[in-house]
Amino acid sequence: QSALTQPASVSGSPGQSITISCTGTGSDIGNYNSVSWYQQHPGKVPKLMIYDVSSRPSGVSHRFSGSKSGNTASLTISGLRAEDEADYYCSSYTGSSSAVFGGGTKLTVL
Amino acid sequence: QVQLEQSGGEVKKPGASVKVSCKASGYTLNNLGISWVRQAPGQGLEWMGWISGYNLKTAYAQKFQDRFTMTTDISTNTAYMELRSLRFDDTAVYYCAKEVRYYDFWSGSNDFWGQGTLVTVSS
Repeated sequence: QSALTQPASVSGSPGQSITISCTGTGSDIGNYNSVSWYQQHPGKVPKLMIYDVSSRPSGVSHRFSGSKSGNTASLTISGLRAEDEADYYCSSYTGSSSAVFGGGTKLTVL
Repeated sequence: QVQLEQSGGEVKKPGASVKVSCKASGYTLNNLGISWVRQAPGQGLEWMGWISGYNLKTAYAQKFQDRFTMTTDISTNTAYMELRSLRFDDTAVYYCAKEVRYYDFWSGSNDFWGQGTLVTVSS
């Protein structure tokens, strides 16, 4: 199963909104609503930010939102803050009894 | 509160096997599934497999299918993973992670993670 495609890096200034895309195929993102997003700070454990395309776990800021259109899922962070600087990974169920991650996106807050 | 406590780091020779434990507290393993993820140094996250809490159904990533096994011991509320025929490129941090809610498939949605176990494969 090929990895989902994410941009290697994105950047934004404090207070701005940014969107990270995650492109798959009709065999994964396009056909299932099991898309998740993880945030990982250097040397830290990944943290679930979004699941089931757009649901937020308890404790995750409302500044984080998820969506999907066709074979592409998106994570939007509004009101960007310095502490949002991290690596972000998307994940999707693939339908072949498997899950797959994207390659990860490094978010830089300018 | 939910915690996943993993066993300590391991150093193994090529061809050997490694077994990592993941002891859950704050919830019972037969309620929600566990996934295993690894991360090689400086690399991204990689799913390895999932074991259902409800019926112990398992699913494995194709690249690990022939040398990776997941089990759970409900009596001790502990999950285990074993990776065999270790290679140098199996050097990574291995994580266990709990499902955020019940799924009957490998959702990839995991809200609590263990602290990670570094497995180093070296001759």
